[in-house]
Amino acid sequence: DIVMTQSPLSLSVTPGEPASISCRSSQSLLYSNGNNYLDWYLKKPGQSPQLLIYLGSSRASGVPDRISGSGSGTDFTLKISRVEAEDVGVYYCMQALQNPLTFGGGTKVEIK
Amino acid sequence: QLHLQESGPGLVKPSETLSLTCTVSGGSFSSSDHYWAWIRQPPGKGLEWIGSIYYDGKTYYNPSLKSRVTVSVDTSKNQFSLRVTSVTAADTAVYYCSRRSHTSFPHWGQGTLVTVSS
Repeated sequence: DIVMTQSPLSLSVTPGEPASISCRSSQSLLYSNGNNYLDWYLKKPGQSPQLLIYLGSSRASGVPDRISGSGSGTDFTLKISRVEAEDVGVYYCMQALQNPLTFGGGTKVEIK
Repeated sequence: QLHLQESGPGLVKPSETLSLTCTVSGGSFSSSDHYWAWIRQPPGKGLEWIGSIYYDGKTYYNPSLKSRVTVSVDTSKNQFSLRVTSVTAADTAVYYCSRRSHTSFPHWGQGTLVTVSS
């Protein structure tokens, strides 16, 4: 199984300040077609997970451009350029290169 | 617009079988462009993929649950289902159904809490 490791476990961010979350995989997520099969999801309490980023860096429909994903291979980063109150929740990375699909442990983002 | 809705008992006794159904509306059900999946989140814990089923009926399961899990599809009803046998308290979780495209899980049900307790 591919192990996904996220850091930090939690972040407390002042509104308007940037935030960054790291996700590392135990195997490369880069497929032969040039795509990295890495997604980012935001889970808010009482809500379903919300897709933010797919293929490592493609922003999902409706996701503000202050949220971005980068990385390749085994190292990925989710960045929020200016954190807003609506960004609070737990962020998960997930690899979809091979079954079993596996998630990182999550990073909790809260507002100071 | 695609809509997914989980349904099933909210309380299951230990050692019994958990059964959930996901009803899909507003989109194509049988297509090679996507597949269906179950994902769960135990209270206070992270997300866990349970299993997936493709348009041709092929299934894949999480090895940690494989011997107890069955995912099936009923295309005539636009539904797919989850069965987990011999449940324990560790199976208490919010269960989500979802549809995956070639690249991501953009569509999720609202989730349903299943508690395993006598």
